[in-house]
Amino acid sequence: KQEVTQIPAALSVPEGENLVLNCSFTDSAIYNLQWFRQDPGKGLTSLLLIQSSQREQTSGRLNASLDKSSGRSTLYIAASQPGDSATYLCAVYAGNMLTFGGGTRLMVKP
Amino acid sequence: DAGVTQSPTHLIKTRGQQVTLRCSPKSGHDTVSWYQQALGQGPQFIFQYYEEEERQRGNFPDRFSGHQFPNYSSELNVNALLLGDSALYLCASSLQGNLNGYTFGSGTRLTVV
Repeated sequence: KQEVTQIPAALSVPEGENLVLNCSFTDSAIYNLQWFRQDPGKGLTSLLLIQSSQREQTSGRLNASLDKSSGRSTLYIAASQPGDSATYLCAVYAGNMLTFGGGTRLMVKP
Repeated sequence: DAGVTQSPTHLIKTRGQQVTLRCSPKSGHDTVSWYQQALGQGPQFIFQYYEEEERQRGNFPDRFSGHQFPNYSSELNVNALLLGDSALYLCASSLQGNLNGYTFGSGTRLTVV
């Protein structure tokens, strides 16, 4: 059974810091991995999708890497801003379903 | 291009009642999946519909059932509601094979009292 873990569970940083959010999964037989952002009480916004054959994806200040063999992904956020405050979720796709981690709750203080 | 649309946004039901949630997928998508997200947790997979059939099911009881219509829209039905069914219910659409990832709706907040 696939299990996804995200570390840390919560993070509070001053504005401007570079951040690394971690995601690990137990079964490397995945098709892709997706990072999402969720604002309180809202739905999920897709940030980055990494296919299993890829090593990383970049979008603006965000960079996500994938090491399928070790079961790890990282989301790097450069020059964090208060508007980045949200919960970040990673999810792996296999067997016609997404398996999510518990999320990292990020607070960026002005 | 409309994204995934869910209705209603919020609803309150009494324990033992039945509820139906609705989802319209993103234009061009043919597969709909439903997820339950309890407060403070990651979403949990309920089931997936493709070609009007349930393709995959998570660890949820038979009280949870669904349907997909020919226009790819979908419903989630929950019978005999329990207090523990209170959660955010998320609908996600994709193209068969999920090559381009999932698009999620804003969710339906269900409160069971």
